[in-house]
Amino acid sequence: GAGVSQTPSNKVTEKGKYVELRCDPISGHTALYWYRQSLGQGPEFLIYFQGTGAADDSGLPNDRFFAVRPEGSVSTLKIQRTERGDSAVYLCASSLTKGDGYTFGSGTRLTVV
Amino acid sequence: RKEVEQDPGPFNVPEGATVAFNCTYSNSASQSFFWYRQDCRKEPKLLMSVYSSGNEDGRFTAQLNRASQYISLLIRDSKLSDSATYLCVASGTYKYIFGTGTRLKVLA
Repeated sequence: GAGVSQTPSNKVTEKGKYVELRCDPISGHTALYWYRQSLGQGPEFLIYFQGTGAADDSGLPNDRFFAVRPEGSVSTLKIQRTERGDSAVYLCASSLTKGDGYTFGSGTRLTVV
Repeated sequence: RKEVEQDPGPFNVPEGATVAFNCTYSNSASQSFFWYRQDCRKEPKLLMSVYSSGNEDGRFTAQLNRASQYISLLIRDSKLSDSATYLCVASGTYKYIFGTGTRLKVLA
């Protein structure tokens, strides 16, 4: 596609539920990143994929968070047993390769009630 | 202490004014630097890269001072459409570290 596509754009879920957030990067971009932005803050790094592998997952806050990119294109961020503190905008970005400039998707606004 | 620090503002300036934002970063190994613009409830969009030699794009000028670990953005002749949050970024080889952003409101 022309840009980075994220679905859903909004997600409201109950505390304790499982959610999946999807990111479809720009075609041909090998590097994919997930960030989380809380209100009034800048985006914070979660995980970086180069191809199919998670090259750096140091930003994932705990083991409730997991992300996959099985075919080196679409990525899914999975959050188990959601907590109210997980409420934020989850941003995905891609770049042609590591070190190139990012293009961000429009984000998924997650609200845990 | 945050790795990238910015004054959150808000900066309220009249149309036509010149406004400057500053940002400091703590990791001296940072390699690349950027300014992003973020409109309310939208994703960040790249405004410009920042180089030690300074770079200009129309009304916008960015400057990097590696010795002081300081990045600046100057906006001349402010327009109403410049109202947004400006995010400073320091990057290693791939990971972006964002500041909290500086809010700018340009008033008619």
